[in-house]
Amino acid sequence: KQEVTQIPAALSVPEGENLVLNCSFTDSAIYNLQWFRQDPGKGLTSLLLIQSSQREQTSGRLNASLDKSSGRSTLYIAASQPGDSATYLCAVRAGTASKLTFGTGTRLQVTL
Amino acid sequence: SAVISQKPSRDICQRGTSLTIQCQVDSQVTMMFWYRQQPGQSLTLIATANQGSEATYESGFVIDKFPISRPNLTFSTLTVSNMSPEDSSIYLCSVDIGGYEQYFGPGTRLTVT
Repeated sequence: KQEVTQIPAALSVPEGENLVLNCSFTDSAIYNLQWFRQDPGKGLTSLLLIQSSQREQTSGRLNASLDKSSGRSTLYIAASQPGDSATYLCAVRAGTASKLTFGTGTRLQVTL
Repeated sequence: SAVISQKPSRDICQRGTSLTIQCQVDSQVTMMFWYRQQPGQSLTLIATANQGSEATYESGFVIDKFPISRPNLTFSTLTVSNMSPEDSSIYLCSVDIGGYEQYFGPGTRLTVT
């Protein structure tokens, strides 16, 4: 059974700092991995998707990497802003018709 | 991508009653999913709904408690039946685009008193 863990569970950083969120999964046989953002009480916004054959994806100040063999992904946020404050979730997928297995989430707060 | 709407956005219900949540997508999709997010927790899949067939429920979820309808390729409903305070959660629908990426609706925040 796939298990997905995110470290740290919570993180507080001052504005402007670069930061890394970690995601680890127990079964390396994944199809893809998605990073999501969730604001309090709201739905999920897809940030980045990495296929199993890819090593990284970039969107603006966000960069996600994937090391499938070691069961790890990182989300790098450059020059953090207060608007980045949210919970970040990673989720892995085993196949094209498979469900997502979600991580435990990292709650990020960026302070002024 | 896909634009997904859910109704209601939030509700407060009394125990023992039922609530039906609607999910509308702006394009035709084969697979739709219903998730539950209990307070302070991550997301748990309730069931997968394909048009024209019975929903497939995950372990721990049953059709009598969470009946799902999928009448066409752009719409689905989830009913939370005979509610108890433990059902207080955010309920989210999502769609699968080409077996590749999932997109989520804004969620329905349910409080059961």
